[in-house]
Order: sequence, then C-alpha cells, then structure tokens
Amino acid sequence: DGGITQSPKYLFRKEGQNVTLSCEQNLNHDAMYWYRQDPGQGLRLIYYSQIVNDFQKGDIAEGYSVSREKKESFPLTVTSAQKNPTAFYLCASSAGGLHTEAFFGQGTRLTVV
Amino acid sequence: AQSVAQPEDQVNVAEGNPLTVKCTYSVSGNPYLFWYVQYPNRGLQFLLKYITGDNLVKGSYGFEAEFNKSQSSFHLKKPSALVSDSALYFCAVRAIWMDSSYKLIFGSGTRLLVRP
Repeated sequence: DGGITQSPKYLFRKEGQNVTLSCEQNLNHDAMYWYRQDPGQGLRLIYYSQIVNDFQKGDIAEGYSVSREKKESFPLTVTSAQKNPTAFYLCASSAGGLHTEAFFGQGTRLTVV
Repeated sequence: AQSVAQPEDQVNVAEGNPLTVKCTYSVSGNPYLFWYVQYPNRGLQFLLKYITGDNLVKGSYGFEAEFNKSQSSFHLKKPSALVSDSALYFCAVRAIWMDSSYKLIFGSGTRLLVRP
C-alpha cells in the first residue's frame, strides 16, 4: 500500500526526555511537513522540508528538531526544551508543487507524564 | 500577513439541508486552496482543491467549493448534509512566501455537526 506512516500511535514522555516521532512515506514525494494540533485547535507548522537534506523552520519550531537524510523519512525529535509537548502530531507529504495536495499520516499522540 | 481564516468555530445543520463552511485567505500572488476533513483521532483527508479555471470545484463525498477572488474566499458547500459529514474541516492555502518557500498553511478548523 502506498501511503504515509507515523509511529508510534501513542507515546509517553517523562519530563526532561527527548523523544523521536517517526514519519515514513513511500509516495516518492519531495516535500514533507510536521504539524502540531492541540485539543480543539487547528494545525500549526513545526518544520517542513521541500527536498532531501534541506528543511526550514515553521511557525513553532522552538524545542523541536528534524532531519531529512532520506527522501522517504522525516523524523521529528521533541526535545526537553519544548515546555508543553503534549499534543497530537501530524506528518504530511506532497509531491512538492504549489498545486499538489498533501497526504497525512494517522498521527502520534504525545503525552508528558 | 499571509493567512487563512475560518471565522466559524462550529456550524450546525439539520440532515438533508445544505451546508456551508466558510474560509477566507490573504496571500500575495496566486493562491492554491485546499479543503481537508478530520475525523476524531485521525489524520486529515483531502477533499478538494482549487488551482485555476472554473471557480466551482467538485470534490469527494459530494462536497464542492466556490472560489471568489474578489472576496478572497473559498467556501465549502454541500447541497444535502449527512449525519456522517459531522467532522472537523480545515481550509488550507499554499502560496509562494517571502522566503520563496511554499508552505502549506491551515486555518483553525470548523467543527460541523449534522443533526438527524
């Protein structure tokens, strides 16, 4: 099946820990995105990557880091510097052109315990 | 500033009635506009998009959207609502931003409740 896969579906983090969320796509898409969604709120852009080995900060990049070493993978690390990490994280990919729609993974729900 | 606005947090409609979910945008240059739907604890699903051409765009599940350049709007519509249409709807825009990137920016979402 072609698609975009996020793992794990649920993740619990202790205070002060770094955690990494996985995002893999087999759609051969150039662009990939990470969004954060808080309860009852919209999506806020954390990081995006338009091509391998390149990525840019979105609107709320502080406390997060990413890498794009392979076209199909765009992992997100939530660092201890992120003071309020509990949220629903969504990864998306698109073919990269202005007119192309994005395809989303099923999300990872991160909870700080 | 370039942005997308969904002025209604929630829209309530009776099953069988027409529905409209509003979206306005502010971008420089030509906008590429999208609608997505999200069911609880799931990712977003693409519904439809406007690129160019006919201002009325038809999409999945009987939804359509009307692009109005003079009003900078891209409202989502459906002639006859179903209870199963109840979900969270997001409008999004992609444009060339000042840094020459083409980020995909979302509105805050509108919850649609269709009552039987």
